[in-house]
Amino acid sequence: KNEVEQSPQNLTAQEGEFITINCSYSVGISALHWLQQHPGGGIVSLFMLSSGKKKHGRLIATINIQEKHSSLHITASHPRDSAVYICAAHSFGNEKLTFGTGTRLTIIP
Amino acid sequence: EAQVTQNPRYLITVTGKKLTVTCSQNMNHEYMSWYRQDPGLGLRQIYYSMNVEVTDKGDVPEGYKVSRKEKRNFPLILESPSPNQTSLYFCASSLEWGLAGGPPDTQYFGPGTRLTVL
Repeated sequence: KNEVEQSPQNLTAQEGEFITINCSYSVGISALHWLQQHPGGGIVSLFMLSSGKKKHGRLIATINIQEKHSSLHITASHPRDSAVYICAAHSFGNEKLTFGTGTRLTIIP
Repeated sequence: EAQVTQNPRYLITVTGKKLTVTCSQNMNHEYMSWYRQDPGLGLRQIYYSMNVEVTDKGDVPEGYKVSRKEKRNFPLILESPSPNQTSLYFCASSLEWGLAGGPPDTQYFGPGTRLTVL
């Protein structure tokens, strides 16, 4: 069982829909990252969370430390949001980063 | 422009021929890291460095070496590449570990190096 699991693996939605991507982890963490990887392969860091909620534009990330769960939400989704979204967890006590296998999001116009 | 650069971007080589993938950042970041990305396995951390002369193993360090002689550079060395090291490699950097002891906020990724070992 992976230490970091994402769901769904693939998600297709219509433009304008509200999107939720989930990330669960089994280890104690100091923080969790959300990354975005575009079709060309480039990776961009979206958020780092250690508690609560962060918002940037149409993107919202939340984390529940007790439940070991984080969600990434996209409001008013747009075709340019089509990408692979990856969560990654920093384990307590070291600086290693463990990644989920990603969620491939496709937004249809 | 703030960036992480990697060279080469594409490399095809043969088993056993030593190679180095360079990584350089111009943001004065303390933390640097190497990852490999494989289909179905996602990203996995190879090595990371908290500061100059300080490096540590990630989840998949076998077959790789790194060095951090200066802050801006963090080369990845494959002494004797094998076909199972065919992968997409990313270098990343971050500001120093958080002031409160927590992880840094943003990782900046290089463009990736696609390596094929025949």
